[in-house]
Amino acid sequence: GAGVSQSPSNKVTEKGKDVELRCDPISGHTALYWYRQSLGQGLEFLIYFQGNSAPDKSGLPSDRFSAERTGGSVSTLTIQRTQQEDSAVYLCASSLASREDGYTFGSGTRLTVV
Amino acid sequence: AQSVAQPEDQVNVAEGNPLTVKCTYSVSGNPYLFWYVQYPNRGLQFLLKYITGDNLVKGSYGFEAEFNKSQTSFHLKKPSALVSDSALYFCAVLPFNKFYFGSGTKLNVKP
Repeated sequence: GAGVSQSPSNKVTEKGKDVELRCDPISGHTALYWYRQSLGQGLEFLIYFQGNSAPDKSGLPSDRFSAERTGGSVSTLTIQRTQQEDSAVYLCASSLASREDGYTFGSGTRLTVV
Repeated sequence: AQSVAQPEDQVNVAEGNPLTVKCTYSVSGNPYLFWYVQYPNRGLQFLLKYITGDNLVKGSYGFEAEFNKSQTSFHLKKPSALVSDSALYFCAVLPFNKFYFGSGTKLNVKP
């Protein structure tokens, strides 16, 4: 597609429920990243996929968070047993293999846990 | 540890005046340097980047940034601010394959 697409754009969920956030990267981009942006905060790295390599999960804040990338394209970020502190904007970005190109970001999913 | 600092949470400037948004970094190697802008309810948009070469790089919307290796800084500048430049600006460094972002600076341009 023309850009990175994320869905849903907004999600309100009850505490304790599981949620799935989806990211469709730009076609041909081999790298995919998830970041979290809490209110008034900067961007917190969550996880990074590059091609068929094992993902870099070093930023996932707890074992309630997981992500997968199927077929080297679409990625799903899953948060189990959501907590209020999970409320944030979740941003996905993709890039070509060369780091010179930087990232292209999606518009994000705003998650609110009530 | 890798880090990026944007010392100002907020910058206020009058329309037509020059603006500067500061960024310093502490990372290993020779990182690539970027600026991104975020408008309300939007994702981050690329503004400009420094890879190598001339220390002054020009980007979108009339913005430019000056790389200073000795001071490990990459300040964002614009000669004449517009009200429409009001947004959240992020500095980012890319030492290898993962970005490190500053905490962001909110730019307010008043008419």
